[in-house]
Amino acid sequence: GNSVTQMEGPVTLSEEAFLTINCTYTATGYPSLFWYVQYPGEGLQLLLKATKADDKGSNKGFEATYRKETTSFHLEKGSVQVSDSAVYFCALSDKTGGSYIPTFGRGTSLIVHP
Amino acid sequence: AAGVIQSPRHLIKEKRETATLKCYPIPRHDTVYWYQQGPGQDPQFLISFYEKMQSDKGSIPDRFSAQQFSDYHSELNMSSLELGDSALYFCASSFSASGYTGELFFGEGSRLTVL
Repeated sequence: GNSVTQMEGPVTLSEEAFLTINCTYTATGYPSLFWYVQYPGEGLQLLLKATKADDKGSNKGFEATYRKETTSFHLEKGSVQVSDSAVYFCALSDKTGGSYIPTFGRGTSLIVHP
Repeated sequence: AAGVIQSPRHLIKEKRETATLKCYPIPRHDTVYWYQQGPGQDPQFLISFYEKMQSDKGSIPDRFSAQQFSDYHSELNMSSLELGDSALYFCASSFSASGYTGELFFGEGSRLTVL
């Protein structure tokens, strides 16, 4: 079956530091890959996505590249801000039996200090 | 823009009681998903509906049931509540148009606490 593994948190950084959150996946087909972000007290929001190998998703300074050879989709940001503090979920979505059922990783908490 | 609406936002119940959560998807979205997220856990897929018919079933306990109504809103009914049912329950919706790649739009969640 499909699965997503992401690095455990919390990840604690100072403002303007470089961020990497690792994510690897296992899938039987050719999934689309996503990063969702969950701010405190809120639901998950789509941050970025990539639908095929070598695609790069980007949004709000965050980037992730779909690497089929390493089955990875690592999230990066060059300079984090305090407002980026949240939980980040890597996810994949594969069409199984005619419908999409996304599979999520466990989430990585990011804490950014001023 | 309209988002996914869930109610209630918070719910406190005793063991063995019953709870009902409601979800109103984004207008024109044809698929609704229910997820359960325990403390520090990833969201676990429970069940989904496409055009008011159950389409997929995940790790939903037999004590839980769900349905989608003619106006596309969905309800998750939970009976014989157990302490382990305490979690954040998310509803999400999507529109399976041509080119859809699996992204979901989530509500803010309903937090159920079972005492």
